[in-house]
Amino acid sequence: GNSVTQMEGPVTLSEEAFLTINCTYTATGYPSLFWYVQYPGEGLQLLLKATKADDKGSNKGFEATYRKETTSFHLEKGSVQVSDSAVYFCALSDRTSGSARQLTFGSGTQLTVLP
Amino acid sequence: SQTIHQWPATLVQPVGSPLSLECTVEGTSNPNLYWYRQAAGRGLQLLFYSVGIGQISSEVPQNLSASRPQDRQFILSSKKLLLSDSGFYLCASTQGSNSPLHFGNGTRLTVT
Repeated sequence: GNSVTQMEGPVTLSEEAFLTINCTYTATGYPSLFWYVQYPGEGLQLLLKATKADDKGSNKGFEATYRKETTSFHLEKGSVQVSDSAVYFCALSDRTSGSARQLTFGSGTQLTVLP
Repeated sequence: SQTIHQWPATLVQPVGSPLSLECTVEGTSNPNLYWYRQAAGRGLQLLFYSVGIGQISSEVPQNLSASRPQDRQFILSSKKLLLSDSGFYLCASTQGSNSPLHFGNGTRLTVT
């Protein structure tokens, strides 16, 4: 079956530091990959996505590249801000399945950015 | 774009009491709807999903149930809450299995 593995948190960085949150996946088909962000007390918001190999998703200074050869979708940001403090979820959707439920999430990584 | 409304935002209920959480969706028609639970310090667990009115699929056995009386309304219920039902409940919507989810702001349920 499908699975998503994220690096365990919590991750604590100083403002302007470089961020990497690792995400690897296992899927039977050709999944689309997503990063969601959850700010304190809120629901999840889509941060970025990539639908095929070598695609790069980007938004708000965050980037992630769909690497089929390493089955990875690592999230990066060159200079984090205090406002980036949140929980980040990696997720995949298996496009070969017609079922509405084939959305698999990682366990989430808590990021805290200190001023 | 889609907007997901969930209420209430927070809820404190005693063990054994009933539960009803409501979710409504705006800005789309015939969405796939989901209920997720996020327990403290853990990831998202899919509880129920629905591809249409009256169609509910359960992912895990539990004392919760879901109903979809209208196209854009999804309700999570319980007849008798357990302590283990405490958590953050998120409603989500998508237009297809390969589309990103849109989430509501969630309901934080504390069972005492």
